[in-house]
Amino acid sequence: EDQVTQSPEALRLQEGESSSLNCSYTVSGLRGLFWYRQDPGKGPEFLFTLYSAGEEKEKERLKATLTKKESFLHITAPKPEDSATYLCAVEEGTSYDKVIFGPGTSLSVIP
Amino acid sequence: DADVTQTPRNRITKTGKRIMLECSQTKGHDRMYWYRQDPGLGLRLIYYSFDVKDINKGEISDGYSVSRQAQAKFSLSLESAIPNQTALYFCATSDLGGLNEQFFGPGTRLTVL
Repeated sequence: EDQVTQSPEALRLQEGESSSLNCSYTVSGLRGLFWYRQDPGKGPEFLFTLYSAGEEKEKERLKATLTKKESFLHITAPKPEDSATYLCAVEEGTSYDKVIFGPGTSLSVIP
Repeated sequence: DADVTQTPRNRITKTGKRIMLECSQTKGHDRMYWYRQDPGLGLRLIYYSFDVKDINKGEISDGYSVSRQAQAKFSLSLESAIPNQTALYFCATSDLGGLNEQFFGPGTRLTVL
């Protein structure tokens, strides 16, 4: 069965304390992997697309990497404004470009 | 102005009532989606549409219906609302062709009493 899991479920960091979030996936025929940021009560905001194993994308303090079975979102020297839920989603190569979302990791950055 | 808008933003209704949630987009995208989000369950796809004449069921379509009135408008209806339809509802759009990078509206918080 196709699925996307994320760990940890919640992460609490001190400001400046770097860490990584994990997204593991099991799909038939990966077409792409997406990372989103979601603030409380708001819609997910698109961050990155990764197409193939070995690819990396960066945006400010965030760096996303991709392997054949998982993706990591590295957060370097986080600030309180980085606090949010981070969602991972995978597009598989089915007839309608199905996207499967993971449950998310809730990140809190404490000043 | 926001690219994807949803109305209403909040709605409280009673069991058995008919409810319509509306979504409009100015991104010019062909693909539109309706999701619901529940704590611990993530985003689940209700319906999707690739153009005005194309409507498809997602993984949890029972109890819901949709209408694609135009390329820019996609509405979700609950014909007879029940309490377990209390959730956060999101509309999303994506461009046809290429990868399915989706762009979300701000959401509608629906409470069914």
